[in-house]
Amino acid sequence: EVQLVESGGGLVQPGRSLKLSCLASGFTFSNYGMNWIRQAPGKGLEWVASISSSSSYIYYADTVKGRFTISRDNAKNTLYLQMTSLRSEDTALYYCARTLRRVYTFDYWGQGVMVTVSS
Amino acid sequence: VQMTQSPSYLAASPGESVSISCKASKSISNNLAWYQEKPGKANKLLIHSGSTLQSGTPSRFSGSGSGTDFTLTIRSLESEDFAVYYCQQYNEYPLTFGSGTKLEIK
Repeated sequence: EVQLVESGGGLVQPGRSLKLSCLASGFTFSNYGMNWIRQAPGKGLEWVASISSSSSYIYYADTVKGRFTISRDNAKNTLYLQMTSLRSEDTALYYCARTLRRVYTFDYWGQGVMVTVSS
Repeated sequence: VQMTQSPSYLAASPGESVSISCKASKSISNNLAWYQEKPGKANKLLIHSGSTLQSGTPSRFSGSGSGTDFTLTIRSLESEDFAVYYCQQYNEYPLTFGSGTKLEIK
């Protein structure tokens, strides 16, 4: 069974940093691209970043480019999102999601981890 | 690519059929997916490539369209179908979602 479990969220002050993790199981992690998607309270879904299986290709939303870094450790089956210079508008539930191979959409999602940016 | 989804809210009764529209600001070929969001559950990929049912998606769900206009149709609604639905284009980065359609029981 595919499982994606996010962790690392919490309350953080504006301007500070936070690192999210997503532990994957139930599939060969190193064979799949991965993604972060977020949802602000009461709002819709917003794609944040994507990384290919070998980290060769990385893409970011303009809203986080230069502040967030997506990475992965295939030996640990873990996806990361390093978030710096956090703003109140980054407050959201952050999901990790697996890329459906050859289709580039999201076939499995985690339950999400909440990040709240507030003083 | 801007994705315009409508309606934002839809009320229907079990057994009825409903359709949700998703329009792209430019052609995305058939690179469109539909997702279902339910409280307490992981988001579920229903359809990709415009009309291809993802494994496990009931046959009462169907997707159609290409280019800029797409439709998700649910026939013979069941109680488990009342949820929020999102479209998403993956033709180019940045990947973008529609604003969502909340389907509620009438």
